Amino acid sequence: NAGVMQNPRHLVRRRGQEARLRCSPMKGHSHVYWYRQLPEEGLKFMVYLQKENIIDESGMPKERFSAEFPKEGPSILRIQQVVRGDSAAYFCASTPGQGNTEAFFGQGTRLTVV
Amino acid sequence: AQSVTQLDSQVPVFEEAPVELRCNYSSSVSVYLFWYVQYPNQGLQLLLKYLSGSTLVKGINGFEAEFNKSQTSFHLRKPSVHISDTAEYFCAVSDRGQAGTALIFGKGTTLSVSS
Repeated sequence: NAGVMQNPRHLVRRRGQEARLRCSPMKGHSHVYWYRQLPEEGLKFMVYLQKENIIDESGMPKERFSAEFPKEGPSILRIQQVVRGDSAAYFCASTPGQGNTEAFFGQGTRLTVV
Repeated sequence: AQSVTQLDSQVPVFEEAPVELRCNYSSSVSVYLFWYVQYPNQGLQLLLKYLSGSTLVKGINGFEAEFNKSQTSFHLRKPSVHISDTAEYFCAVSDRGQAGTALIFGKGTTLSVSS
């Protein structure tokens, strides 16, 4: 049973480019969370999605960031016109359902903006 | 709103010594409590969780934690650490009353075990 799969593991983008981060949840999981980890910081919640629905995006920056979780395929976190401050590790976690209390994390995507 | 404070950013210990990683939380509602471990360049792995019942919770790799409601603490302990326990440890909470709410994390404690 494969765990939460994130790709790419490492991503380098120049300022102004777009970054696309992908997350495939565990088999049977329909809820996905995205978190961002800045250096020397804990993980900060960004967005919570179900298939085809954004449930809570209270942690997402208002501009340049968007997320989706289509009916088919992985969840995508998209960052447009990246800036140096977007450099961080981005983690995805999945759960089977809303009431589940254990989230399973992927290995993360480390984004470096140069 | 909830917040989590991990009181020590770094904890150096010698192999086979006991260790305690401290975690305090603040919340106006009842919460679930978690400890996660992150090895270098890896994702987070659940060590243990407190949902209800006994306040002493046992997890993987010989770790345990005790929920203290009056002190709003959830300290992590291990009686004898190994070199392989060197990692970043995160305490987290979530709102018990709202299913599906995200985890709120502390800033982490780096545990360094040396021989």
